[in-house]
Parts: sequence; structure tokens; C-alpha cells
Amino acid sequence: LAKTTQPISMDSYEGQEVNITCSHNNIATNDYITWYQQFPSQGPRFIIQGYKTKVTNEVASLFIPADRKSSTLSLPRVSLSDTAVYYCLLLYSGGYQKVTFGIGTKLQVIP
Amino acid sequence: DGGITQSPKYLFRKEGQNVTLSCEQNLNHDAMYWYRQDPGQGLRLIYYSQIVNDFQKGDIAEGYSVSREKKESFPLTVTSAQKNPTAFYLCASSTQLAGSYEQYFGPGTRLTVT
Repeated sequence: LAKTTQPISMDSYEGQEVNITCSHNNIATNDYITWYQQFPSQGPRFIIQGYKTKVTNEVASLFIPADRKSSTLSLPRVSLSDTAVYYCLLLYSGGYQKVTFGIGTKLQVIP
Repeated sequence: DGGITQSPKYLFRKEGQNVTLSCEQNLNHDAMYWYRQDPGQGLRLIYYSQIVNDFQKGDIAEGYSVSREKKESFPLTVTSAQKNPTAFYLCASSTQLAGSYEQYFGPGTRLTVT
């Protein structure tokens, strides 16, 4: 059973805000919601991580409702260079659990 | 400048040959990982290591072997037993093995076996 579910692909025009939603109905108390970005032929790069409410950094914002069963990655004013695959992961803080990178969401930014 | 290096970026081999992919990190991280990525797919865990001289199989370890003789190095050998070795291989490291710690990835090695 997949731990997270996210759209396979999204398109957006340059300059728009993009919101990618991830469902994680079976999230555990010790799970942290984490997003990575991957460009073609490169390794994934950590974007943002949160436990609850809202987290913001220089790249993105992460919105997490009180029940934590979903989360939304928000990319403000995307540019062509934001075209990439975005992975939503649940990382367990209570000890080691194998990290599963699904197929992610392929974001295509259109000029 | 700290980070993870993988070499070479592209590697070509004939079927039946073993090949070793290099992974070095200078982040002083305890944990290291190897993933495989096929076109349009996510990452699948091959092996991981928590400390020197210790490593564990991931989801797709068959046909692969690793060693962890030094903290900063975690080479992966793709053996001739691996039935479909052509793929993009990614090495990663993290401060500790605990899942919530960010994993830092290398640039990857694209292996083509013909």
C-alpha cells in the first residue's frame, strides 16, 4: 500500500503559483512530510519538510492541515527552471524505515 | 565544498562484466544509500549502510554488492548476475539512518550495458 499519493503530472504557466497536493491517509505520529525535487539526470534535492501547520523557506511553502492526512507544496511564481519531478515522502523520525520514492509529480512549466 | 561525488557520470559495459560505481562523501555522514532509477520511475533502494563495515539489503539487492570500509566511501558493484543493469544509479548520504534526516544525493551514474 502506497504511503503517499500525488498527481502524476501538472502543467503551469510561468509566473503562476503552483500547488501540488499529496495524500497520506495513513500517516503515523512520528512521520515528517518531506518534499524533494529532481531535475532530469540529476539526484533529488531536498526542498522542504514539516510536521504540522505551515512551513516556509526561500524555495517553497508547505501547508499541512490539522489531521495531517494531506499536504500541499506551494511554489510561488514558477519559472521554466522549476520544471522537474516533485516527490512527497513520509520520513519516520522514530528510527530507520526505508525511504520510498514513488514516481512523483512531473511539473511542466510552460512559457 | 562539501558534497557527494559519483564517478563516472556515464559508464558503458559489455554484458557479463562486473562494474563498480564509485560514491564518496565529505559531509561526515554516518549513513549512505544506493538507489536505482529507471526511466519514468521512482527510486528503488538497493543497499544502505548505517556505519562502517555494516550494510543492509534494500528492496532490490539481487545482483548487486557493496562495501563500507571507510566512512566516506560506499562503492556499488553491479555483477553479471543482475539481469537488467542498465539504469541511472544514485548514491545518497544522511547524518544518521533515522528516516527524518535529509538525504543528500550525488549527481548519479548512468550505466549502459550492452
